Amino acid sequence: NAGVTQTPKFQVLKTGQSMTLQCAQDMNHEYMSWYRQDPGMGLRLIHYSVGAGITDQGEVPNGYNVSRSTTEDFPLRLLSAAPSQTSVYFCASSPRTARTDTQYFGPGTRLTVL
Amino acid sequence: KQEVTQIPAALSVPEGENLVLNCSFTDSAIYNLQWFRQDPGKGLTSLLLIQSSQREQTSGRLNASLDKSSGRSTLYIAASQPGDSATYLCAVNFGNEKLTFGTGTRLTIIP
Repeated sequence: NAGVTQTPKFQVLKTGQSMTLQCAQDMNHEYMSWYRQDPGMGLRLIHYSVGAGITDQGEVPNGYNVSRSTTEDFPLRLLSAAPSQTSVYFCASSPRTARTDTQYFGPGTRLTVL
Repeated sequence: KQEVTQIPAALSVPEGENLVLNCSFTDSAIYNLQWFRQDPGKGLTSLLLIQSSQREQTSGRLNASLDKSSGRSTLYIAASQPGDSATYLCAVNFGNEKLTFGTGTRLTIIP
C-alpha cells in the first residue's frame, strides 16, 4: 500500500490564483481530513469527511473548499489564494472516525502565496 | 477552550539516556490521545494511540501513559538513540471529528 499520498510537494502561487491540492489513500478508509501547520501553532483542522459524499467544516475552513466523490480521493481547493494561506498542508485518513482510530498522515504540501 | 500543551518546546539529551516527554490537556473528557513523530520537512508518523479507557500503551522502546484526571500524558523513550531526534507531537480527540494538537517538543539526542 502507498498509504496517504499528496501532490504536489511544493507550490508557489500569486495572490488571487486558485489551485487544488490532491490527496489520495489506498487503504479503503472512510475518514479523511485536511490540516494546516503553521510555525508556533499546532496543526489545525480545515475540513473533514466521514465518507464519500459527506464533508464538514473544521476549525479554519474559510477560503477552502472540499469534495469527496470517491472513497479514495479528498482534494482541497483554494479559491483565491491569500498570503495568509502560506502553510504546510497535511492530509490524513483513518478507517472510520477521529474519535477512536489511529490517524495516518501524508507527506504534506508546502504552499507559498506571494 | 480545549487546548493541548507540550513543555518544553525543545530538549537535548545524551545518547543512551531514558527520557520523558510531556503533554497536558485542559478537558479530561477525552476520547483518545495520540503521539506522533515528525522529522524535518516530513509528514507525521503515528507512534502510539491511547484510548480513553486505557492507562498506557507500549511499542518497543516507547511507552505512553494517560492520566485523564490530571489532564496529562507522558511519552517515555528508553535508551535514546540519535535516530530518535525529531519533533514529537501530542494530539487529543475531545469527542468530535478532529484532533487538537500541541505545538510539539523538538528532541535532540547528542551522540
